[in-house]
Amino acid sequence: EPEVTQTPSHQVTQMGQEVILRCVPISNHLYFYWYRQILGQKVEFLVSFYNNEISEKSEIFDDQFSVERPDGSNFTLKIRSTKLEDSAMYFCASSAGQGFGYTFGSGTRLTVV
Amino acid sequence: QKEVEQDPGPLSVPEGAIVSLNCTYSNSAFQYFMWYRQYSRKGPELLMYTYSSGNKEDGRFTAQVDKSSKYISLFIRDSQPSDSATYLCAMRNQGGKLIFGQGTELSVKP
Repeated sequence: EPEVTQTPSHQVTQMGQEVILRCVPISNHLYFYWYRQILGQKVEFLVSFYNNEISEKSEIFDDQFSVERPDGSNFTLKIRSTKLEDSAMYFCASSAGQGFGYTFGSGTRLTVV
Repeated sequence: QKEVEQDPGPLSVPEGAIVSLNCTYSNSAFQYFMWYRQYSRKGPELLMYTYSSGNKEDGRFTAQVDKSSKYISLFIRDSQPSDSATYLCAMRNQGGKLIFGQGTELSVKP
């Protein structure tokens, strides 16, 4: 069964450093998303991406965050200057369209120290 | 009022029991409803996806949507220890952003 692949599975970074989280969505999907889940809390929406541009973003997704689809297969989330409160599981998801469910990756656990 | 409310549990049942998991929501613009299963420190896994009011069945799982009451349910028949996980309801409007419930932690005891 097709799956969404995320790398790395775990990243430890120092506060203030830049991190890039990588995702390979399912190949025929058109809609891409990043969500995050702080330990013990709800899964929260960060950003959606369609047709090479951001279609919606949450209030969490401030100027420190950016997304990019640099080629036909990868989808990345960059955090420019990490804060302690950015520590969370980050999930990438993709969907074939509005009439379809979303497939999530296994996540990247980001720890900011 | 929260957009999506889900009892976090934990819920503990014996093997073979019928499990009922529920969510309520306040936003009448929600049109698409999903149930995900999440094992510890893993990504959500899509179980069921529904659009309209009514029931949808897939094996031991039945999803039920009542838009008039803003209430959705997931039933698991003949529950197994391998069903032990956190179950997340999620819903969205036309825009595409998924709003998740808190998740219900389920434990099925052998």
